[in-house]
Amino acid sequence: GAVVSQHPSRVICKSGTSVKIECRSLDFQATTMFWYRQFPKKSLMLMATSNEGSKATYEQGVEKDKFLINHASLTLSTLTVTSAHPEDSSFYICSASTSGGRPDTQYFGPGTRLTVL
Amino acid sequence: QKEVEQNSGPLSVPEGAIASLNCTYSDRGSQSFFWYRQYSGKSPELIMSIYSNGDKEDGRFTAQLNKASQYVSLLIRDSQPSDSATYLCAVDSGGSNYKLTFGKGTLLTVNP
Repeated sequence: GAVVSQHPSRVICKSGTSVKIECRSLDFQATTMFWYRQFPKKSLMLMATSNEGSKATYEQGVEKDKFLINHASLTLSTLTVTSAHPEDSSFYICSASTSGGRPDTQYFGPGTRLTVL
Repeated sequence: QKEVEQNSGPLSVPEGAIASLNCTYSDRGSQSFFWYRQYSGKSPELIMSIYSNGDKEDGRFTAQLNKASQYVSLLIRDSQPSDSATYLCAVDSGGSNYKLTFGKGTLLTVNP
């Protein structure tokens, strides 16, 4: 149980284009989902917290107009990287919580490797 | 700025030995502490959580917490080659809004 999927697993895009990443909780409903970013040899950094039906809460330094988050249902959250640039190349990981975001109830997706040329 | 510090390693131990991974954190108000295992190119997997001072054992894993020293560690007994991975320490500062702050991770290599 508690499986989280992400799609796509890898994406390569040209600079200036937008990329959408989906995060789905397959066998549970997740009121809270989190989006993280991990650069090579760096720590996992929380970008935003997404609650179903409400606006996402972004961490300091994360541009909400560039990283659009939509949590339209209890099983799906999407992250859209708008006007992507090479510095946005990173490993994007979502997690979904079975209980309001408690860390021990967070299950991570397999991640999406974004490469912006 | 809340920080979580780990020795990046690599830490290399022979098969069957005890691997000791350490982590310090800056936020004295932190309430919950977690260890994740992350294989290369994969997402993190929770292996241990600890909330109060002392030791917590789960199979071959033991987490140790000392809030006064702001220190948390993970011991892996009888290390296996399959334990080779990056181990991430994460801290939640508590409150109604959960937020994990991760360390950079320690790369562990268990040599057969």
